[in-house]
Amino acid sequence: GQNIDQPTEMTATEGAIVQINCTYQTSGFNGLFWYQQHAGEAPTFLSYNVLDGLEEKGRFSSFLSRSKGYSYLLLKELQMKDSASYLCAGMDSNYQLIWGAGTKLIIKP
Amino acid sequence: KAGVTQTPRYLIKTRGQQVTLSCSPISGHRSVSWYQQTPGQGLQFLFEYFSETQRNKGNFPGRFSGRQFSNSRSEMNVSTLELGDSALYLCASSLREGETDTQYFGPGTRLTVL
Repeated sequence: GQNIDQPTEMTATEGAIVQINCTYQTSGFNGLFWYQQHAGEAPTFLSYNVLDGLEEKGRFSSFLSRSKGYSYLLLKELQMKDSASYLCAGMDSNYQLIWGAGTKLIIKP
Repeated sequence: KAGVTQTPRYLIKTRGQQVTLSCSPISGHRSVSWYQQTPGQGLQFLFEYFSETQRNKGNFPGRFSGRQFSNSRSEMNVSTLELGDSALYLCASSLREGETDTQYFGPGTRLTVL
């Protein structure tokens, strides 16, 4: 079966760094997406990885290891506005997204 | 450019009723996907439409159906509502010029079934 696993909840301190992990099992693989979703709002796109390695975009970076079925989202210099749920989604051979349940990130002052 | 819009934003229905939700994609986007989101379950894929044709379908009962019009607007219908259908229903649009195009989400319709 297809499955995406990520932690349910994480807590971090303002100004610190946090890494949100995601492991995936999909039928075929056409990339890994990360989305951010603030409470009561729509998910918004953060990153897409299809090749191994690290993609950096400002304070956010995303890493992919296809051999390990593993990705992480790294958030640096955390701000209170980063409190949100972070959704990991793998794209299978039919180009369909398989979504994780999301990781709720709580930022404390 | 206007984003994805969904109507209505909130709905309260009773068991056994039916409901129709509407989604207008970003101008120029031809693909619309529908998802159900419940706490702890994440996004569950319902179906995707591209150029008025259903491309993919998730594992939902036949009570859930959809369609897409020539202007790319899409509707989804849920018949014989059950309590478990209470959820946030999100639609997302993409260009689909490339298969891995980014999906852009609408604000969702929150459906409550009493």
